[in-house]
Amino acid sequence: GENVEQHPSTLSVQEGDSAVIKCTYSDSASNYFPWYKQELGKRPQLIIDIRSNVGEKKDQRIAVTLNKTAKHFSLHITETQPEDSAVYFCAASKHGGSQGNLIFGKGTKLSVKP
Amino acid sequence: DGGITQSPKYLFRKEGQNVTLSCEQNLNHDAMYWYRQDPGQGLRLIYYSQIVNDFQKGDIAEGYSVSREKKESFPLTVTSAQKNPTAFYLCASSLGLAGVGEQFFGPGTRLTVL
Repeated sequence: GENVEQHPSTLSVQEGDSAVIKCTYSDSASNYFPWYKQELGKRPQLIIDIRSNVGEKKDQRIAVTLNKTAKHFSLHITETQPEDSAVYFCAASKHGGSQGNLIFGKGTKLSVKP
Repeated sequence: DGGITQSPKYLFRKEGQNVTLSCEQNLNHDAMYWYRQDPGQGLRLIYYSQIVNDFQKGDIAEGYSVSREKKESFPLTVTSAQKNPTAFYLCASSLGLAGVGEQFFGPGTRLTVL
C-alpha cells in the first residue's frame, strides 16, 4: 500500500524567513496531494492541494510543488509569520474506487520565532 | 469550521469498558471517516464509509466498530479489545472519497483510559 514519509519532523524559522516541508510517497498511482494545518488543540484544516496533472500551485504565501518522477512533493511558505506556527501534514491518495483514502505523513511541527 | 461536530470533547473510560464517540455532519457529504491521532504518528485511518449502511476497515480497525445507519451520523465504538485506546480521535467527511472533495474534520474527542 501507499506510504508517505514527511521531513523534517520539527522546523524552527525566524519570522520573515521561508519554510519548506518535504514529503515522499511510494505508490506511483497516487494522484491527489493535500496539505493540512493543525494549530494546537484544533482540527486539521486544508490549506492547499495539488493533483498529479499540475507541477506547482500557489496561494498567496503558500505554494506546493510536485515531482511525479521522483515521487515527492513539497510545501513552501514564504515570509513566515508567528501565526504560521502549527503542525503541518501532507497526504496522498488515489482518486477513485475504494482506494481513494488519504495516507498521511507523520507531521512537521513548524515554529516561527518573532 | 461548522458542519461537522463530535461529542464529547473529553471522555474518560475505565479499562474493560466500551465507549461510543459521536460524529454528526450536516454538509450532505456521502463519505465519512474516523482517524486516530497519537503524538508523532500523524493521522491513522480506523474506518471509513462511502455510503449509508456500508463501511470499510482502515489501517488500524482492530478493537473498534462503527455503524452508518444515517447519512449524517457515523459513531465509533472503542471496545475493550482495543489495547491502547488513549488517543485523540478525529472524524471527517467529504463529498466523495479523497481526491473528489476536501475532507473536513470535526473538533475531535480526546479519550483517556484510566
